[in-house]
Amino acid sequence: DTGVSQDPRHKITKRGQNVTFRCDPISEHNRLYWYRQTLGQGPEFLTYFQNEAQLEKSRLLSDRFSAERPKGSFSTLEIQRTEQGDSAMYLCASSLVGGVEQYFGPGTRLTVT
Amino acid sequence: AQSVTQLGSHVSVSEGALVLLRCNYSSSVPPYLFWYVQYPNQGLQLLLKYTTGATLVKGINGFEAEFKKSETSFHLTKPSAHMSDAAEYFCAVSEPTNFGNEKLTFGTGTRLTIIP
Repeated sequence: DTGVSQDPRHKITKRGQNVTFRCDPISEHNRLYWYRQTLGQGPEFLTYFQNEAQLEKSRLLSDRFSAERPKGSFSTLEIQRTEQGDSAMYLCASSLVGGVEQYFGPGTRLTVT
Repeated sequence: AQSVTQLGSHVSVSEGALVLLRCNYSSSVPPYLFWYVQYPNQGLQLLLKYTTGATLVKGINGFEAEFKKSETSFHLTKPSAHMSDAAEYFCAVSEPTNFGNEKLTFGTGTRLTIIP
């Protein structure tokens, strides 16, 4: 069990550029969650998948955000036309269906200049 | 809709003193409750959780929390603070479903500082 991994750990981009983050969940976990954490705040739910199906999306997930989990394993979160307000830590978590605990990865810190 | 309120964005205690971090929640159904800890530039680590049953739950690193339904509270305590406890602590709530846990709703966090 290697835990949840996220790549990259840090990303600096210029406003207007597109960025993509990757999350690899714990191997047997079929649920995968994305959260966003801005400075001084708690994480906020963005979306989650059960296997490859995206079951819920937050209103925070604007049209510029898209998440996929094509084979029910790793997931990607893409932000198009980044804005300074997108600067945050993007956290991924995974769990088993029926499980209570979510296991978090180390996060990807995005800075938009 | 669920919500979590953490009273005190910053708490300072002396090494060896009692740690008390406060959390109140709002939920339309009996909730699942969690405390997570976050060290700088790291993800979240689960300290403890309440689902059903015994209202006093024990977690890692000597922490415990008590679910009080009448007060809608889930305060986190540790009898004796250690320097390594310095971190950000988040209380979270979720509504249980037939399929287990779904999205977590977090409070804004409490930064714990330990005074030597």
